[in-house]
Amino acid sequence: GAVVSQHPSRVICKSGTSVKIECRSLDFQATTMFWYRQFPKQSLMLMATSNEGSKATYEQGVEKDKFLINHASLTLSTLTVTSAHPEDSSFYICSATGISGNTIYFGEGSWLTVV
Amino acid sequence: AQSVTQLGSHVSVSEGALVLLRCNYSSSVPPYLFWYVQYPNQGLQLLLKYTSAATLVKGINGFEAEFKKSETSFHLTKPSAHMSDAAEYFCAVREGGATNKLIFGTGTLLAVQP
Repeated sequence: GAVVSQHPSRVICKSGTSVKIECRSLDFQATTMFWYRQFPKQSLMLMATSNEGSKATYEQGVEKDKFLINHASLTLSTLTVTSAHPEDSSFYICSATGISGNTIYFGEGSWLTVV
Repeated sequence: AQSVTQLGSHVSVSEGALVLLRCNYSSSVPPYLFWYVQYPNQGLQLLLKYTSAATLVKGINGFEAEFKKSETSFHLTKPSAHMSDAAEYFCAVREGGATNKLIFGTGTLLAVQP
């Protein structure tokens, strides 16, 4: 079946630096990708929706200049957390859907720890 | 706007007992509804989905859910719990229109006692 892969699965970075998380669709063309953030023992909160070749649409309250999303190809979207702070530490999950939009596939998630 | 409510943030059952995880939705249009399972430190795995076909939906690992429009519910059930079912379960509704955004419930943590 379709697979969405995230990399890295875990990353530790220093406060003030930037870190990039990749989300790849391995066997289908992902026309739309979503980025979620999940704090421990909480639900998933949608951060942004990205369509291939266009700017991401951010949810209310999400800083687009801090969480840079790029969806330059049909198989890759990246989330860059810029000038990371400890409060950005979280579990980030991407999901992707193809042209039909009938099924949404989730990545394995990426743990970000900012120290 | 669509939304889902999961009653019970924690549910504990004995191994072999019935599992019932509750989900109620709010939607002004016929909804697409989903149940996902999340094991510790992992992403989400789709258990099953309702897309306006059969109201009783069978999923993986012996789970099923019944769409009841009159009750605006989409409860998840499994006749006999297994230790490996212990995980977090999320109900979600797909937002209407051109978007495929999923709106998640707050989740229910299922514990299975031996």
